[in-house]
Amino acid sequence: EIVLTQSPEFQSVTPKEKVTITCRASQDIGSSLHWYQQRPGQSPKLLIKFASQSFSGAPSRFSGSGSGTDFTLTIDSLEVEDAATYYCDQSISFPRTFGQGTKVEIK
Amino acid sequence: EVELVQSGGGLVKPGGSLRLSCKASGFNFGSYFMTWVRQAPGEGLEWVSSISAYSTHLYYADSVRGRFTVSRDNSDNSLSLQMNSLRVEDTATYYCVRDFSGYEPYDSWGQGTLVTVS
Repeated sequence: EIVLTQSPEFQSVTPKEKVTITCRASQDIGSSLHWYQQRPGQSPKLLIKFASQSFSGAPSRFSGSGSGTDFTLTIDSLEVEDAATYYCDQSISFPRTFGQGTKVEIK
Repeated sequence: EVELVQSGGGLVKPGGSLRLSCKASGFNFGSYFMTWVRQAPGEGLEWVSSISAYSTHLYYADSVRGRFTVSRDNSDNSLSLQMNSLRVEDTATYYCVRDFSGYEPYDSWGQGTLVTVS
């Protein structure tokens, strides 16, 4: 089973600040890494697919990078509506696994 | 517009059974893998089970294998999860999720349905 480790687990950020969340895989997963946003009380939504491809409808301030075992989700200029928990997910093999999540709070 | 509408769920005693359903619309259901993902209260996301487009491949998390059964009816655009021998630790919100091939991102999610085992 591939283990995904996200850091940090919690981040308190001021609006307009830049946010960086990392996801480390326990083995090489190429670019088969995706990022989701889950606002409180809502279903998760796909933001970034295959490490760096923006998903339709995701705001342009969200971007992803990385390959192999180390990946990054970046939020340029955080907005109040970005308060949420962010998860990474790998799709290279079953069982599918998620990172433990990173909660982003607005200061 | 892609839509996944879930039903079922509720309160059940340990050892009991429950069936979750998911009705799909807005896309060619029979061409997609479908998946169940769950989230225990206050916790993260956990993959539960996936089924290929023609039901030829079924996948289960170790935590539910032998107790849960995933199935689909492409003629009715519906996905189901039969949950037997439920345990307290199965308490979670269950999401029906679309995934093109089993190796793609989860690009559409249902609204979620809460299962409480107590």
